Amino acid sequence: SQQGEEDPQALSIQEGENATMNCSYKTSINNLQWYRQNSGRGFVHLILIRSNEREKHSGRLRVTLDTSKKSSSLLITASRAADTASYFCATSNAGNMLTFGGGTRLMVKP
Amino acid sequence: GAVVSQHPSWVICKSGTSVKIECRSLDFQATTMFWYRQFPKQSLMLMATSNEGSKATYEQGVEKDKFLINHASLTLSTLTVTSAHPEDSSFYICSASVSGSYHEQYFGPGTRLTVT
Repeated sequence: SQQGEEDPQALSIQEGENATMNCSYKTSINNLQWYRQNSGRGFVHLILIRSNEREKHSGRLRVTLDTSKKSSSLLITASRAADTASYFCATSNAGNMLTFGGGTRLMVKP
Repeated sequence: GAVVSQHPSWVICKSGTSVKIECRSLDFQATTMFWYRQFPKQSLMLMATSNEGSKATYEQGVEKDKFLINHASLTLSTLTVTSAHPEDSSFYICSASVSGSYHEQYFGPGTRLTVT
């Protein structure tokens, strides 16, 4: 089974709104990363949050991590049409495996 | 910096042929390269990990005789899909790591393989 599971699987919002995606995982991790994938193209690394961190910001992105609940959230503020993509969380554990979740497909309507 | 390229970006081949996909780290030396497969609307599945100069480590369920991986230099790894079949049609993505760590991987743009 997959380590990371994103929720929701699909999200459609209007430009300017905030988008929140959640990721849950099962085992202990060293860090959790969020990636973006535009349709049919490669992955772009967005942000990495370590297991001893609770929140991290990068531009319009805010990531939280709750290790007690084994969950993370990615918030994109003031969304733009260009943010339309699939977003994946990936967890890295002590065995140094990077395991991806199923992704959230975000559609931002202009 | 940390750019990874893949070639070709899209390949269509007939069933039974072999297809080679190249993964190059353009501005850094990658001690480790990873090969993933992605099915439509699904996540990445790690196929194998290759370290320069040594045999690749394949994940469970991945046929090493079908998916040949060669990592001959610090900037180039190749994946050859031998005797391709329609079920091999997929999006193949490589990533490269400077330190060999899974934590920091730089991904290529992917190669779409269509087997007819």
